Amino acid sequence: GAGVSQSPRYKVAKRGQDVALRCDPISGHVSLFWYQQALGQGPEFLTYFQNEAQLDKSGLPSDRFFAERPEGSVSTLKIQRTQQEDSAVYLCASSYLIRGTGMTEAFFGQGTRLTVV
Amino acid sequence: SQQGEEDPQALSIQEGENATMNCSYKTSINNLQWYRQNSGRGLVHLILIRSNEREKHSGRLRVTLDTSKKSSSLLITASRAADTASYFCATDAQDMRFGAGTRLTVKP
Repeated sequence: GAGVSQSPRYKVAKRGQDVALRCDPISGHVSLFWYQQALGQGPEFLTYFQNEAQLDKSGLPSDRFFAERPEGSVSTLKIQRTQQEDSAVYLCASSYLIRGTGMTEAFFGQGTRLTVV
Repeated sequence: SQQGEEDPQALSIQEGENATMNCSYKTSINNLQWYRQNSGRGLVHLILIRSNEREKHSGRLRVTLDTSKKSSSLLITASRAADTASYFCATDAQDMRFGAGTRLTVKP
Protein backbone atom coordinates (compact mmCIF):
# COMPACT_ATOMS: atom_id res chain seq x y z
CA GLY A 1 0.00 0.00 0.00
CA ALA A 2 0.91 3.62 -0.32
CA GLY A 3 0.95 4.40 3.37
CA VAL A 4 0.65 3.02 6.87
CA SER A 5 -2.66 1.29 7.32
CA GLN A 6 -4.33 0.70 10.67
CA SER A 7 -7.38 -1.36 11.41
CA PRO A 8 -9.98 -1.11 12.66
CA ARG A 9 -10.43 2.67 12.45
CA TYR A 10 -12.88 2.56 15.34
CA LYS A 11 -13.34 -0.01 18.07
CA VAL A 12 -15.84 -0.04 20.91
CA ALA A 13 -15.04 -2.55 23.61
CA LYS A 14 -16.83 -3.47 26.80
CA ARG A 15 -14.73 -3.12 29.91
CA GLY A 16 -12.85 -6.33 30.50
CA GLN A 17 -12.83 -7.34 26.83
CA ASP A 18 -9.58 -8.05 24.97
CA VAL A 19 -8.82 -6.07 21.80
CA ALA A 20 -6.28 -6.38 19.00
CA LEU A 21 -5.22 -3.43 16.88
CA ARG A 22 -3.41 -3.98 13.61
CA CYS A 23 -0.77 -1.92 11.84
CA ASP A 24 0.44 -2.51 8.28
CA PRO A 25 3.60 -0.42 7.84
CA ILE A 26 5.07 0.76 4.58
CA SER A 27 6.83 -2.12 2.86
CA GLY A 28 10.53 -2.21 3.65
CA HIS A 29 10.36 0.06 6.67
CA VAL A 30 12.60 -1.30 9.39
CA SER A 31 11.23 0.66 12.29
CA LEU A 32 7.73 0.62 13.72
CA PHE A 33 6.34 2.67 16.58
CA TRP A 34 3.12 2.53 18.58
CA TYR A 35 1.68 5.56 20.38
CA GLN A 36 -1.33 6.24 22.58
CA GLN A 37 -2.96 9.64 22.21
CA ALA A 38 -5.62 10.92 24.58
CA LEU A 39 -7.90 13.74 23.50
CA GLY A 40 -6.04 17.05 23.42
CA GLN A 41 -2.71 15.47 24.32
CA GLY A 42 0.43 14.61 22.40
CA PRO A 43 1.20 11.06 21.28
CA GLU A 44 2.59 9.03 24.18
CA PHE A 45 5.26 6.53 23.15
CA LEU A 46 4.33 2.91 23.81
CA THR A 47 6.83 0.68 22.07
CA TYR A 48 9.38 0.44 19.25
CA PHE A 49 10.32 -2.39 16.89
CA GLN A 50 13.32 -2.74 14.66
CA ASN A 51 12.28 -5.47 12.24
CA GLU A 52 10.83 -8.21 14.47
CA ALA A 53 12.79 -7.20 17.56
CA GLN A 54 10.97 -5.18 20.18
CA LEU A 55 13.80 -2.94 21.31
CA ASP A 56 11.88 -0.64 23.61
CA LYS A 57 8.64 -1.35 25.43
CA SER A 58 9.18 1.09 28.24
CA GLY A 59 6.07 3.08 27.35
CA LEU A 60 3.58 0.25 27.72
CA PRO A 61 1.42 1.37 30.65
CA SER A 62 0.79 -2.05 32.16
CA ASP A 63 1.23 -5.76 31.57
CA ARG A 64 -2.22 -5.74 29.96
CA PHE A 65 -0.57 -4.20 26.90
CA PHE A 66 1.35 -6.44 24.53
CA ALA A 67 2.77 -5.78 21.07
CA GLU A 68 4.30 -8.07 18.50
CA ARG A 69 5.75 -7.95 15.00
CA PRO A 70 6.59 -11.59 14.36
CA GLU A 71 7.77 -11.35 10.75
CA GLY A 72 9.12 -7.84 10.83
CA SER A 73 6.23 -6.32 8.91
CA VAL A 74 2.65 -6.27 10.27
CA SER A 75 2.36 -5.46 13.96
CA THR A 76 -0.43 -6.07 16.44
CA LEU A 77 -1.05 -4.19 19.66
CA LYS A 78 -3.12 -6.25 22.07
CA ILE A 79 -4.83 -4.89 25.15
CA GLN A 80 -6.18 -7.42 27.60
CA ARG A 81 -9.03 -6.79 30.04
CA THR A 82 -9.62 -3.27 28.72
CA GLN A 83 -10.32 -0.48 31.18
CA GLN A 84 -12.00 2.87 30.60
CA GLU A 85 -8.67 4.66 30.90
CA ASP A 86 -7.49 2.75 27.83
CA SER A 87 -9.86 4.82 25.70
CA ALA A 88 -7.68 6.77 23.29
CA VAL A 89 -6.44 6.90 19.71
CA TYR A 90 -3.68 4.39 19.05
CA LEU A 91 -1.25 5.52 16.37
CA CYS A 92 1.25 3.45 14.45
CA ALA A 93 4.22 4.87 12.52
CA SER A 94 6.96 3.34 10.40
CA SER A 95 10.24 4.58 8.97
CA TYR A 96 13.61 3.56 7.60
CA LEU A 97 15.05 4.64 10.95
CA ILE A 98 17.92 2.62 12.22
CA ARG A 99 18.16 3.11 15.94
CA GLY A 100 21.28 4.94 17.00
CA THR A 101 22.17 6.15 13.53
CA GLY A 102 19.60 8.91 13.24
CA MET A 103 16.03 9.16 12.10
CA THR A 104 14.44 9.53 8.74
CA GLU A 105 10.90 10.69 8.13
CA ALA A 106 8.29 8.64 9.93
CA PHE A 107 4.93 7.94 8.32
CA PHE A 108 1.85 7.68 10.50
CA GLY A 109 -1.36 5.76 10.06
CA GLN A 110 -4.74 7.36 10.70
CA GLY A 111 -5.01 5.64 14.03
CA THR A 112 -7.52 3.39 15.75
CA ARG A 113 -9.94 5.14 18.08
CA LEU A 114 -10.66 2.80 20.98
CA THR A 115 -13.60 3.51 23.25
CA VAL A 116 -14.05 1.32 26.31
CA VAL A 117 -17.56 1.39 27.74
CA SER B 1 9.37 11.88 30.33
CA GLN B 2 8.97 12.96 26.75
CA GLN B 3 12.05 14.01 24.83
CA GLY B 4 10.58 16.92 22.90
CA GLU B 5 8.65 19.63 24.70
CA GLU B 6 6.89 22.33 22.69
CA ASP B 7 5.85 25.80 23.70
CA PRO B 8 3.63 27.70 23.76
CA GLN B 9 0.86 25.18 24.41
CA ALA B 10 -1.54 27.26 22.33
CA LEU B 11 -1.12 30.07 19.84
CA SER B 12 -3.82 32.09 18.11
CA ILE B 13 -3.00 34.49 15.29
CA GLN B 14 -4.63 36.22 12.33
CA GLU B 15 -4.22 34.98 8.80
CA GLY B 16 -1.13 36.51 7.23
CA GLU B 17 0.80 36.76 10.49
CA ASN B 18 3.83 34.63 11.30
CA ALA B 19 3.68 31.85 13.88
CA THR B 20 6.67 30.76 15.94
CA MET B 21 6.76 27.59 18.01
CA ASN B 22 9.61 26.31 20.13
CA CYS B 23 10.89 22.90 21.10
CA SER B 24 13.28 21.95 23.87
CA TYR B 25 14.95 18.59 24.38
CA LYS B 26 17.21 17.02 26.95
CA THR B 27 19.88 14.79 25.42
CA SER B 28 22.26 14.79 22.48
CA ILE B 29 20.62 14.19 19.15
CA ASN B 30 21.45 13.31 15.55
CA ASN B 31 18.44 15.16 14.21
CA LEU B 32 15.12 16.73 15.10
CA GLN B 33 11.84 16.62 13.24
CA TRP B 34 8.67 18.67 13.22
CA TYR B 35 5.26 17.12 12.60
CA ARG B 36 1.78 18.50 12.12
CA GLN B 37 -1.51 16.92 13.17
CA ASN B 38 -4.94 17.96 12.06
CA SER B 39 -7.74 17.08 14.45
CA GLY B 40 -8.59 13.39 14.32
CA ARG B 41 -5.81 12.51 11.88
CA GLY B 42 -2.35 10.98 12.01
CA LEU B 43 0.80 13.06 12.20
CA VAL B 44 2.38 14.35 9.00
CA HIS B 45 6.10 14.97 8.69
CA LEU B 46 7.02 18.59 7.95
CA ILE B 47 10.79 18.93 8.11
CA LEU B 48 13.91 17.25 9.49
CA ILE B 49 16.99 19.17 10.61
CA ARG B 50 20.27 17.44 11.37
CA SER B 51 22.46 18.25 14.34
CA ASN B 52 25.12 19.84 12.11
CA GLU B 53 22.58 22.21 10.54
CA ARG B 54 21.53 25.50 12.07
CA GLU B 55 18.67 26.47 9.80
CA LYS B 56 16.50 24.85 7.18
CA HIS B 57 13.72 26.10 4.93
CA SER B 58 10.82 24.38 3.24
CA GLY B 59 8.27 26.60 1.53
CA ARG B 60 6.76 28.82 4.23
CA LEU B 61 8.48 26.84 6.97
CA ARG B 62 11.74 27.83 8.60
CA VAL B 63 13.33 25.66 11.27
CA THR B 64 16.31 26.57 13.41
CA LEU B 65 18.32 24.33 15.69
CA ASP B 66 20.59 25.39 18.54
CA THR B 67 22.30 22.31 19.90
CA SER B 68 24.09 24.29 22.61
CA LYS B 69 20.72 25.30 24.06
CA LYS B 70 19.04 22.04 23.07
CA SER B 71 16.26 23.91 21.38
CA SER B 72 14.59 24.33 18.02
CA SER B 73 12.04 26.71 16.59
CA LEU B 74 9.51 26.38 13.80
CA LEU B 75 8.44 29.53 12.01
CA ILE B 76 5.44 29.51 9.70
CA THR B 77 5.35 32.66 7.60
CA ALA B 78 2.27 34.27 6.06
CA SER B 79 -0.01 31.87 7.91
CA ARG B 80 -3.25 30.60 6.43
CA ALA B 81 -6.41 29.29 8.06
CA ALA B 82 -5.43 25.85 6.72
CA ASP B 83 -2.33 25.93 8.95
CA THR B 84 -4.62 25.47 11.96
CA ALA B 85 -3.36 22.25 13.57
CA SER B 86 -1.21 20.90 16.37
CA TYR B 87 2.55 20.92 15.85
CA PHE B 88 4.98 18.52 17.49
CA CYS B 89 8.72 18.07 17.58
CA ALA B 90 10.59 14.81 18.06
CA THR B 91 14.24 13.83 18.23
CA ASP B 92 15.93 10.56 17.41
CA ALA B 93 16.91 10.11 21.04
CA GLN B 94 14.75 7.75 23.06
CA ASP B 95 12.96 6.26 20.07
CA MET B 96 11.05 9.31 18.84
CA ARG B 97 9.03 10.67 21.71
CA PHE B 98 6.75 13.71 21.41
CA GLY B 99 5.69 16.49 23.72
CA ALA B 100 2.20 17.88 24.25
CA GLY B 101 2.48 20.01 21.11
CA THR B 102 1.53 23.55 20.21
CA ARG B 103 -2.08 24.07 19.12
CA LEU B 104 -2.05 26.75 16.46
CA THR B 105 -5.24 28.53 15.47
CA VAL B 106 -5.12 30.82 12.45
CA LYS B 107 -8.19 33.04 12.22
CA PRO B 108 -9.36 34.04 8.75
